[in-house]
Amino acid sequence: DQQVKQNSPSLSVQEGRISILNCDYTNSMFDYFLWYKKYPAEGPTFLISISSIKDKNEDGRFTVFLNKSAKHLSLHIVPSQPGDSAVYFCASPVGDKIIFGKGTRLHILP
Amino acid sequence: DAGITQSPRYKITETGRQVTLMCHQTWSHSYMFWYRQDLGHGLRLIYYSAAADITDKGEVPDGYVVSRSKTENFPLTLESATRSQTSVYFCASSRGRDQYFGPGTRLLVL
Repeated sequence: DQQVKQNSPSLSVQEGRISILNCDYTNSMFDYFLWYKKYPAEGPTFLISISSIKDKNEDGRFTVFLNKSAKHLSLHIVPSQPGDSAVYFCASPVGDKIIFGKGTRLHILP
Repeated sequence: DAGITQSPRYKITETGRQVTLMCHQTWSHSYMFWYRQDLGHGLRLIYYSAAADITDKGEVPDGYVVSRSKTENFPLTLESATRSQTSVYFCASSRGRDQYFGPGTRLLVL
């Protein structure tokens, strides 16, 4: 049973436009969320995180929004650049472990 | 350089053979993890370790064995490889709630 869900396997966005990647979770006890970015032939790298005491966290072109009542978070990338083409994983720590979503592959179109 | 490394990066083996994937980290992180990444499944946790000589099963432990005699090393062994174990394997270590991933080992079982 998936506790962290990324329902869009892929997303294509024009360069310069906004990319919005979505993530839903089922456990209201989750209090911290992370986004990881993964390029082909490399390991995932940490991108941005948000604590449940906040509803927004911003880092340069990347902003994560958290809607606790809807158990939903989203990653916004503005403006999208070619180097943003990658797989993005939403994740949440559970005890000693981290639960990952299945990932969304983002394609930035020229 | 400090970081987390995996070896080999690529491995081809045959069904029934024993294979060991190595993971080494230089940060002295207590926690280490093994994941496999498969299309449609995202990152699935195989085993993890909270410290030397302490290991625990993840989501998909069957067919795998781990050991951790030293903090910096966390080898993963496939005792009798099967075709279903063809995958990309990632090792990670963690500080706090953030995990740091190695570059991955691509394993093909024929």
